[in-house]
Amino acid sequence: SYELTQPLSVSVALGQTARITCGGNNIGSKNVHWYQQKPGQAPVLVIYRDSNRPSGIPERFSGSNSGNTATLTISRAHAGDEADYYCQVWDSSAVAFGGGTKLTVL
Amino acid sequence: QVQLQESGPGLVKPSQTLSLTCTVSGDSSSSGTYYWSWIRQPAGKGLEWIGRIYPTGSTNYNPSLKSRVTISIDTSKNHFSLKLSSVTAADTAVYYCARGTVKLFDAFDIWGQGTMVTVSS
Repeated sequence: SYELTQPLSVSVALGQTARITCGGNNIGSKNVHWYQQKPGQAPVLVIYRDSNRPSGIPERFSGSNSGNTATLTISRAHAGDEADYYCQVWDSSAVAFGGGTKLTVL
Repeated sequence: QVQLQESGPGLVKPSQTLSLTCTVSGDSSSSGTYYWSWIRQPAGKGLEWIGRIYPTGSTNYNPSLKSRVTISIDTSKNHFSLKLSSVTAADTAVYYCARGTVKLFDAFDIWGQGTMVTVSS
């Protein structure tokens, strides 16, 4: 099965830029999606196909994907961005999720 | 606005079969541009995809669960279901249903609120 590797935690100062990585073998050849999950809530799609934002997601959220690493970037971090973030891809008709990254806004 | 709602027993005995239903409202589960998935999350852990079903009834399952999983769909009732057999404590989790969207390159754009299932005698 395809493995995705995320850091367990990332910290960012209020108003600064957070970057969360998602590593996988040649992940640049896949469509990477990102989800935000706050405690007690269902995940919410924040980025699809590497760098596209669904309607209603702030422009502060952006993404990139190349080589063996995909990155979710959150600019001008708000306290409300504190959450778990998961990357996801499809591989051979099956879904792989990264292990999740806890973003702390200081 | 499309909404998904999971329902089913919150407590299942070991070795029995877990059965959940996801009701789709505000949209048709028969639309060919979507498919429907089950995803679970043990407490304090990450997300695990269980499987998906198309309106045609075609399915794909997580290889690690495939021998125990059946997903079915009833488009006339606008719902789809999950059966997971021979459950153990390791199957205790919050179970989510979610919509996969072809136009969003197979991202899951709509999720249910989740339902907690505990496996215990």
